[in-house]
Amino acid sequence: DVKVTQSSRYLVKRTGEKVFLECVQDMDHENMFWYRQDPGLGLRLIYFSYDVKMKEKGDIPEGYSVSREKKERFSLILESASTNQTSMYLCASSYDLNSPLHFGNGTRLTVT
Amino acid sequence: DQQVKQNSPSLSVQEGRISILNCDYTNSMFDYFLWYKKYPAEGPTFLISISSIKDKNEDGRFTVFLNKSAKHLSLHIVPSQPGDSAVYFCAARQYSGGGADGLTFGKGTHLIIQP
Repeated sequence: DVKVTQSSRYLVKRTGEKVFLECVQDMDHENMFWYRQDPGLGLRLIYFSYDVKMKEKGDIPEGYSVSREKKERFSLILESASTNQTSMYLCASSYDLNSPLHFGNGTRLTVT
Repeated sequence: DQQVKQNSPSLSVQEGRISILNCDYTNSMFDYFLWYKKYPAEGPTFLISISSIKDKNEDGRFTVFLNKSAKHLSLHIVPSQPGDSAVYFCAARQYSGGGADGLTFGKGTHLIIQP
């Protein structure tokens, strides 16, 4: 079974802090994704990566950056956290274009 | 502009009956559709998918129907069981030819199975 592991289940940060959300997958998947889930808005794509050191903007990249130095690890960075970034963050990976995404259990981030 | 729409935020169905969850899309370039199920405090889990070259795909109690001309898909669950109570997300992918694309998700439908 594919395992996508997000390092923290819950995180509380202050406005202006730099925040790192880490995600690791164990199935040698090429593609990795970061989504956020908000009530009434569903899942929205922030960034994705289809190879090491490659990144593409999703639908809502503003205020975020990503890093993929190794194939198995994809990090989401909030350069200066703001209260409107309080959300559930979901990492996912997939083998190829025609494969389903496998999600981690999410990180619930609260910015105060 | 919402490209994948799930117009019912919630749906209540009696145990043993059929649950039908609907999804509409606007982008005619979508060629692969998926349904995900999500329990509270967990990530979404893949349920079933369908390619645009098909109009039906079945897996056990779950069947997905695709009507390309209407840009509509539906998920049927028969018979519905208490463990099916969850939020269901419809998702679609547009093949860009140049690499991975993230899925576009609907807002979800909360399915409640009543005993």
